[in-house]
Amino acid sequence: DTAVSQTPKYLVTQMGNDKSIKCEQNLGHDTMYWYKQDSKKFLKIMFSYNNKELIINETVPNRFSPKSPDKAHLNLHINSLELGDSAVYFCASSPGTENEKLFFGSGTQLSVL
Amino acid sequence: GDSVTQMEGPVTLSEEAFLTINCTYTATGYPSLFWYVQYPGEGLQLLLKATKADDKGSNKGFEATYRKETTSFHLEKGSVQVSDSAVYFCALSGGYQKVTFGIGTKLQVIP
Repeated sequence: DTAVSQTPKYLVTQMGNDKSIKCEQNLGHDTMYWYKQDSKKFLKIMFSYNNKELIINETVPNRFSPKSPDKAHLNLHINSLELGDSAVYFCASSPGTENEKLFFGSGTQLSVL
Repeated sequence: GDSVTQMEGPVTLSEEAFLTINCTYTATGYPSLFWYVQYPGEGLQLLLKATKADDKGSNKGFEATYRKETTSFHLEKGSVQVSDSAVYFCALSGGYQKVTFGIGTKLQVIP
């Protein structure tokens, strides 16, 4: 069983479209994250949720809206996609206590044409 | 705020060569330090970690020592293999749920 799974793995779409990426973890963790990795491999946190509550919201355009229906799921919806949104998006989870490791999904490669 | 600085790479080594990837950090308090590895087409996975000064993390022949006096956590391996080719990320966790990553260093090992 995959611990952190995200779908789809690849997403190709046109500018202006709205798309969603789904993430699920079966580790029983309290905390989930979305990270964005650009073409140079730089990894930046976007959001963090703990038990369905938003904890971290970095400087991200409000076209990006995370939703956590329960603590095992954290979805990312993106409105009005732009060329600059092309990147690999990683979901991750952690047990929720301090200074611990993250468990990552395999990523969703988003290409905006 | 917290930050992690690591060499940009790419680093190209011959098989069985010695590897060092430098990592330094700035943080308030006493962060935990990590090295993550990303193989092509995959997500990051934890390679090793250290939670306090002078701790040594080790895994799969890789080692890194938490040096508070030099604020460093350099990754080393005595003899690299082709299968070690990947991108390596240094990271710190300085507070509740906030992990900061370095830019990643691509390692290519040639036979």
